[in-house]
Amino acid sequence: DTAVSQTPKYLVTQMGNDKSIKCEQNLGHDTMYWYKQDSKKFLKIMFSYNNKELIINETVPNRFSPKSPDKAHLNLHINSLELGDSAVYFCASSLLGAIYNEQFFGPGTRLTVL
Amino acid sequence: DQQVKQNSPSLSVQEGRISILNCDYTNSMFDYFLWYKKYPAEGPTFLISISSIKDKNEDGRFTVFLNKSAKHLSLHIVPSQPGDSAVYFCAAKYGGGSQGNLIFGKGTKLSVKP
Repeated sequence: DTAVSQTPKYLVTQMGNDKSIKCEQNLGHDTMYWYKQDSKKFLKIMFSYNNKELIINETVPNRFSPKSPDKAHLNLHINSLELGDSAVYFCASSLLGAIYNEQFFGPGTRLTVL
Repeated sequence: DQQVKQNSPSLSVQEGRISILNCDYTNSMFDYFLWYKKYPAEGPTFLISISSIKDKNEDGRFTVFLNKSAKHLSLHIVPSQPGDSAVYFCAAKYGGGSQGNLIFGKGTKLSVKP
């Protein structure tokens, strides 16, 4: 059973398109995250949701819009894709009350914008 | 501005020997430090953590050492095994209790040779 799953695993698209990446966790966690790993290999947090409410929103263009329909899902919608959006996007989840905020990651979605 | 630095992009070790992965940080407000391990085409998986009030935490073959005065931590793997070959990320948590942000380093690719 996959704890944190993401779809699709690979996404190749043209500049200017709109695309979505879906994330689901079956761990019973109440907090979910989106991270971006760019070409320099940094893992940077983009968003964090707790109980469907946005709690962290780093400096991310407003072309990126997260949507959390329920605690188990956090989807990422990206409008007007740009070349610089090419990266691997990781979803993660954790449980409020976990002292050191151990996060469980999905397998990643490799986005390539042509 | 990198708050968490892993200055060695790669490390090669012989099977059975000790692997030492290093991490430096700049923010004295970090309260927990975590190590994650990542295999290709998978998401990072949690390995071991340490509180900022401790100087050592051990879990089987893995030991993390924290030197607060030097703002330095290291992960020791003894003995190293070929299955340990992966990218290791150092992460630091600050603020917000269990909702605190994780700041990741760039990772160190460990290769353990048989």
